[in-house]
Amino acid sequence: SSELTQGPAVSVALGQTVTITCQGASLRTFYASWYQQKPGQAPVLVFYGKTNRPSGISDRFSGSSSGDTASLTITGAQAEDEADYFCNSRGNSDIHPVVFGGGTKLTVL
Amino acid sequence: QVQLVQSGPEVKKPGASLKVSCRASGYNLIDYSLYWVRQAPGQGLEWVGWINPKTGETKYAWSFQGRVTLTSDTSNNIVYMEMSRLTSEDTAVYYCARDQPPLYEDWVVKTWIDPWGQGTLVTVSA
Repeated sequence: SSELTQGPAVSVALGQTVTITCQGASLRTFYASWYQQKPGQAPVLVFYGKTNRPSGISDRFSGSSSGDTASLTITGAQAEDEADYFCNSRGNSDIHPVVFGGGTKLTVL
Repeated sequence: QVQLVQSGPEVKKPGASLKVSCRASGYNLIDYSLYWVRQAPGQGLEWVGWINPKTGETKYAWSFQGRVTLTSDTSNNIVYMEMSRLTSEDTAVYYCARDQPPLYEDWVVKTWIDPWGQGTLVTVSA
């Protein structure tokens, strides 16, 4: 089982804003990083840390964190944003030193 | 540009062993640790283990202890993942990915994984 909890699916109307959340005890110590994965492709980093967006990633993607919950927000969602999104952080124990969320499937309507 | 290129797809029988390679280019392999992460069909991401190519230090997820070995060939910028005693439940896409060393930002640690290899499909079937 994942040490980070994500909702399985969310949908958003084209051009609207959507937030994907990730909850876990390790997020009190570590920022989440977020990955976008499209079918048949490897995950791609889209946001990490408090305010960091990799070069080449749209500024539609932003992140935030509060307590044990991290959020990824897509402002003005586009059709190409439809994908699975995974959160990740270091874990708080030797049993789970690296943890992933179960993933959230985003559908853009 | 920084890139991780993995070896091709594999088909194995139950009980067999597997060795997947991950070649780094665009940077020096010893400067970053590497993760291996797998994804079963239709499932999420599962961390397999981690290797520091500079020191050879490794750490494995508990569910893979004793069955997975990560090694590195620093002269050729390659990391390997070996997995033994394969079962059908090991059928998955296996990714190598570069780990970024932890940094502090506002008293909280940030880490990230970038880039990822293209993935290697491993099929275990009788």
